Amino acid sequence: NAGVTQTPKFQVLKTGQSMTLQCAQDMNHEYMSWYRQDPGMGLRLIHYSVGAGITDQGEVPNGYNVSRSTTEDFPLRLLSAAPSQTSVYFCASSPRWYKGYEQYFGPGTRLTVT
Amino acid sequence: DQQVKQNSPSLSVQEGRISILNCDYTNSMFDYFLWYKKYPAEGPTFLISISSIKDKNEDGRFTVFLNKSAKHLSLHIVPSQPGDSAVYFCAASSGGGADGLTFGKGTHLIIQP
Repeated sequence: NAGVTQTPKFQVLKTGQSMTLQCAQDMNHEYMSWYRQDPGMGLRLIHYSVGAGITDQGEVPNGYNVSRSTTEDFPLRLLSAAPSQTSVYFCASSPRWYKGYEQYFGPGTRLTVT
Repeated sequence: DQQVKQNSPSLSVQEGRISILNCDYTNSMFDYFLWYKKYPAEGPTFLISISSIKDKNEDGRFTVFLNKSAKHLSLHIVPSQPGDSAVYFCAASSGGGADGLTFGKGTHLIIQP
């Protein structure tokens, strides 16, 4: 198993550009989520999904869109990039949506918006 | 307002000694707590968890203690090893768990030889 994979590893965008961060897992996990980590901060939840076709907002959803058309993939779209979205983005998955199951994190995407 | 607080940004411990990392929380609805370990340029990896119905959970060198009345948990690592040098995040969840984890800011543990 590759686990949770994220592409790209690094990305530089100009303000106003859009892009999609890719996340995939090959563990048939039900639950997937996106977090961002800013310097000196913990991870903050952006969006999550409890199964294919179902998504919901986390703590900091503004400026981001998600969809979950398959169990494996959970892309994060930046609609119009802003410097405040400069961050490290982590995708995570878990076997089930309810707690008690650990979340497996991908290696992260480092995004810089100029 | 931060709901999960790790008040020590860094901690230095000698190899072989005990490392104690602390975490406080304010939300009384939190009932499941986890510790994650993170190396630079990698994603966090799960270390150990504890449910609010317990006050202690052990896994090898790692023990987590929960004091619900004080809204405090701690992670003990005994004995500390060089590979334990990393950033440790405390995280908490409430309710069904679907709405993810609330993380602290992390503590950078440095194990001195």
